[in-house]
Amino acid sequence: QQQVKQSPQSLIVQKGGISIINCAYENTAFDYFPWYQQFPGKGPALLIAIRPDVSEKKEGRFTISFNKSAKQFSLHIMDSQPGDSATYFCAPSWGNMLTFGGGTRLMVKP
Amino acid sequence: NAGVTQTPKFQVLKTGQSMTLQCAQDMNHEYMSWYRQDPGMGLRLIHYSVGAGITDQGEVPNGYNVSRSTTEDFPLRLLSAAPSQTSVYFCASSSPPGRIETQYFGPGTRLLVL
Repeated sequence: QQQVKQSPQSLIVQKGGISIINCAYENTAFDYFPWYQQFPGKGPALLIAIRPDVSEKKEGRFTISFNKSAKQFSLHIMDSQPGDSATYFCAPSWGNMLTFGGGTRLMVKP
Repeated sequence: NAGVTQTPKFQVLKTGQSMTLQCAQDMNHEYMSWYRQDPGMGLRLIHYSVGAGITDQGEVPNGYNVSRSTTEDFPLRLLSAAPSQTSVYFCASSSPPGRIETQYFGPGTRLLVL
């Protein structure tokens, strides 16, 4: 049973472009919606997260958009930079339980 | 603070061998957990602990044992390694239980079972 579906699996964007990654979930008990960033050989690190009482959160170049009725949330990276090249995971959670999506490998071309 | 540390970084085992993956944190976090990461599948929760002496199973617990005798340490034991356990293992911690936004991951242990 795949509770969390992430798309696309891979993404190539030109420097300065917008990267968009989507996450769809099934479990309506989820109450915390984070995105993690992982560089090769490293553990995931929290990038940005949102609670279901707001529809959008922006931190610098990173924005989460949340659609509770559609059970979807997305990560937008504005002005994408080569340093943003990494794997991104959505990991909606309830309690202490993170449920990870399959990941999106982002490559930003200079 | 060293954060979350894991040892070893890389290990090769033969089928049937046992080993312990070590995880330690120096942030006095109550919640600790183990995940495995396989290509295309994200991270899956193996076991977790909400405090010393308390552990519980996650999504994929079979073949693994854990114990939590101290707040700092949360070792993961493979009793009889199988090729299906070839993966990258991550330990994570957070405090207090429920405050997922403070969850920190270690650098990982890459395990190859032949």
